[in-house]
Amino acid sequence: GAGVSQSPSNKVTEKGKDVELRCDPISGHTALYWYRQSLGQGLEFLIYFQGNSAPDKSGLPSDRFSAERTGGSVSTLTIQRTQQEDSAVYLCASSFGTAGYTFGSGTRLTVV
Amino acid sequence: GQSLEQPSEVTAVEGAIVQINCTYQTSGFYGLSWYQQHDGGAPTFLSYNALDGLEETGRFSSFLSRSDSYGYLLLQELQMKDSASYFCAGSSNDYKLSFGAGTTVTVRA
Repeated sequence: GAGVSQSPSNKVTEKGKDVELRCDPISGHTALYWYRQSLGQGLEFLIYFQGNSAPDKSGLPSDRFSAERTGGSVSTLTIQRTQQEDSAVYLCASSFGTAGYTFGSGTRLTVV
Repeated sequence: GQSLEQPSEVTAVEGAIVQINCTYQTSGFYGLSWYQQHDGGAPTFLSYNALDGLEETGRFSSFLSRSDSYGYLLLQELQMKDSASYFCAGSSNDYKLSFGAGTTVTVRA
């Protein structure tokens, strides 16, 4: 597609439920990143996929968080047993390299 | 890993010039990027400096000094639409960007 597409744009879930967030990167971009942004804060790195290499999961805050990327394209970020502190905007980006990420519009997750 | 420091907020009037400084501490540093984010929007890429010196793109310029671990974003001829948050981001040999906390720029008439 023309840009990075994320869905849903907004998600309200009850504490303890699992959620899945989807990212469809720009076609041909080999690198895909997930970041988290809390209100008024900077961007916190979560996970990075590059081609067929093993993902860099060093930013995942707990084992409740996981992500996969199928066929080198679409990625899904899964948060199990959501907690209120998981409430944030989850941003996906794709790129050819480390200069010039293109971000999606994000998924605003609210855990109630 | 990396850490990047930038001011939390800057206010200026239309037509003015604003400089947003960014200092970084990093290992395996490759380059410094700048992103703009309007309220409720996605961050958008502005510029990237891998080499020392000034890169100019229209009203925005970005500077890097690797020896000083320092860079800045210069916004000239400020317009109301430039009110946004601006993030510096460092790239390194682990192929991911580390972002500063962001600088909120408010442009007043």
